[in-house]
Amino acid sequence: QQPVQSPQAVILREGEDAVINCSSSKALYSVHWYRQKHGEAPVFLMILLKGGEQKGHEKISASFNEKKQQSSLYLTASQLSYSGTYFCGTETSGAQKLVFGQGTRLTINP
Amino acid sequence: DAGVIQSPRHEVTEMGQEVTLRCKPISGHNSLFWYRQTMMRGLELLIYFNNNVPIDDSGMPEDRFSAKMPNASFSTLKIQPSEPRDSAVYFCASSFGEVGELFFGEGSRLTVL
Repeated sequence: QQPVQSPQAVILREGEDAVINCSSSKALYSVHWYRQKHGEAPVFLMILLKGGEQKGHEKISASFNEKKQQSSLYLTASQLSYSGTYFCGTETSGAQKLVFGQGTRLTINP
Repeated sequence: DAGVIQSPRHEVTEMGQEVTLRCKPISGHNSLFWYRQTMMRGLELLIYFNNNVPIDDSGMPEDRFSAKMPNASFSTLKIQPSEPRDSAVYFCASSFGEVGELFFGEGSRLTVL
């Protein structure tokens, strides 16, 4: 079942922060985060495997609350290069069947 | 290192024609995935292979779609006959290990008239 992402779209000024949420109705084994720029393929950001795990990637970090079946992606002091559509992918069976959410379109303005 | 290679990058065809999309995964990767992306449905998993064996094809829309992976370095996705609603970008991705990062190809944009 497809995870639900919120918000669907965000518009920020450069330097502002953003949070993108991903929730599932099923117990999660792992959560992946990807970013896709217009006309390009999705690019991997990070995987979170354990409940309560947090990971960081430059000024982009994420948390995974296994009990709540939720993950959040945090973008701090956003840069113009952060613009794109962010997808969470969830794995429920351990069989690496990744189901992606509908995406969150992030626009960063100067 | 070469990434995942897909061909063709663009295909325009007429309804009823057969379409074959091709994918070469990254050498050493043991899992291969076919996704379809549209504005309405987002990124849909069609099928995935592990060690060349199809593991889950529950996302394949209907019998018009078929996928094969004859060896570790090549996979095809075939649509026969094609319909306008099949128009989408088809991505192939590969990964290594049990829970691995997916490396996507650049996609094949299919337009069925």
